[in-house]
Amino acid sequence: GEDVEQSLFLSVREGDSSVINCTYTDSSSTYLYWYKQEPGAGLQLLTYIFSNMDMKQDQRLTVLLNKKDKHLSLRIADTQTGDSAIYFCAESGIAGTYKYIFGTGTRLKVLA
Amino acid sequence: DAGVIQSPRHEVTEMGQEVTLRCKPISGHDYLFWYRQTMMRGLELLIYFNNNVPIDDSGMPEDRFSAKMPNASFSTLKIQPSEPRDSAVYFCASSLLGSGGKAFFGQGTRLTVV
Repeated sequence: GEDVEQSLFLSVREGDSSVINCTYTDSSSTYLYWYKQEPGAGLQLLTYIFSNMDMKQDQRLTVLLNKKDKHLSLRIADTQTGDSAIYFCAESGIAGTYKYIFGTGTRLKVLA
Repeated sequence: DAGVIQSPRHEVTEMGQEVTLRCKPISGHDYLFWYRQTMMRGLELLIYFNNNVPIDDSGMPEDRFSAKMPNASFSTLKIQPSEPRDSAVYFCASSLLGSGGKAFFGQGTRLTVV
């Protein structure tokens, strides 16, 4: 079945690294994504990883994929107060379809 | 490109009224998605289209909900009659096959049914 789980909250101090975790159940996903949502706004695509990759780095963002454990993580280096938002992981390409299934979202709070 | 454009940004309506939400996808994108976001249920996929054709509407909650895509640059989500439990933020997103499957979201329509 299709299910994407995330922890609800994460609090870190400014300058520290944040690690947001996500687990998914469907191993046929083609792509996995991280989106950011700020208050009152839509979802902004941060980064994505193809399912045959283990890692992707994009400036302060590092995505790790453990396909065996169906675990995806997003690491934000040198976290800033502007990084405070809700972060969603999502998967697509499930069973040949093209729909996106989103996780529950993790609310990241960065303390100054 | 201006991105995915949704209108209106906010809608307040009375129970029983018809509500129509509008979406203009990014030009050239061939997939369009409608999502609903609530505190209780998170982001739910309602329906998605490929080349203007509905592919999967299994997420549409009831017959009161309907969606159309008459052409590649316009889609509507209609609720008739509306109920208070339909209050949510409705997002439209579009993507292009072969581009890494990246979906781009509109700013959403916040619907309040009183």
